[in-house]
Amino acid sequence: AQRVTQPEKLLSVFKGAPVELKCNYSYSGSPELFWYVQYSRQRLQLLLRHISRESIKGFTADLNKGETSFHLKKPFAQEEDSAMYYCALGAMNRDDKIIFGKGTRLHILP
Amino acid sequence: DSGVTQTPKHLITATGQRVTLRCSPRSGDLSVYWYQQSLDQGLQFLIQYYNGEERAKGNILERFSAQQFPDLHSELNLSSLELGDSALYFCASSPGVAGGIEQYFGPGTRLTVT
Repeated sequence: AQRVTQPEKLLSVFKGAPVELKCNYSYSGSPELFWYVQYSRQRLQLLLRHISRESIKGFTADLNKGETSFHLKKPFAQEEDSAMYYCALGAMNRDDKIIFGKGTRLHILP
Repeated sequence: DSGVTQTPKHLITATGQRVTLRCSPRSGDLSVYWYQQSLDQGLQFLIQYYNGEERAKGNILERFSAQQFPDLHSELNLSSLELGDSALYFCASSPGVAGGIEQYFGPGTRLTVT
């Protein structure tokens, strides 16, 4: 079965400090991992996906199959990064659905 | 703007009532997904439709039902409403059916049950 775990409900980080939002997954097949972000009063939007291996708004995430993790990182937090972040697990198997973690609220302190 | 629209934006109703939430997917997207977002449960997948047919079911209560019409818009029906049904309901769409595809989310409908 697919499962996504985001262990932190809330993460408070000072502006300029490094950020790491944790995500662990469980899936027997070949996973597709995503990070979605929801800024205050806005809709969820895709931040990045592991297959693109790109950096968006300074964020990166590396898929670690050995540790079954897809942690989201940014070296220097900015106030505009305050938002709700959801890790999501999908699969290219057409019978599997995309599963979202419960989310981590990132609060950047001035 | 993702191209996914949802109506209404807000809905306030009483316990025991029935409501219908509407979603129009992005042009060309065949899959529609419904999610419930609450403070304690996070984002919960409810149900997925693909080209008019139910594709996958999540944590959807029996009091809830959905359908996707020939023009691909979808409706989520919530009946015998309880206080605990108060939440933000999101619709998302994607071009295909596989779980590895990016989903585009609508702005959500905020349901308040009093």
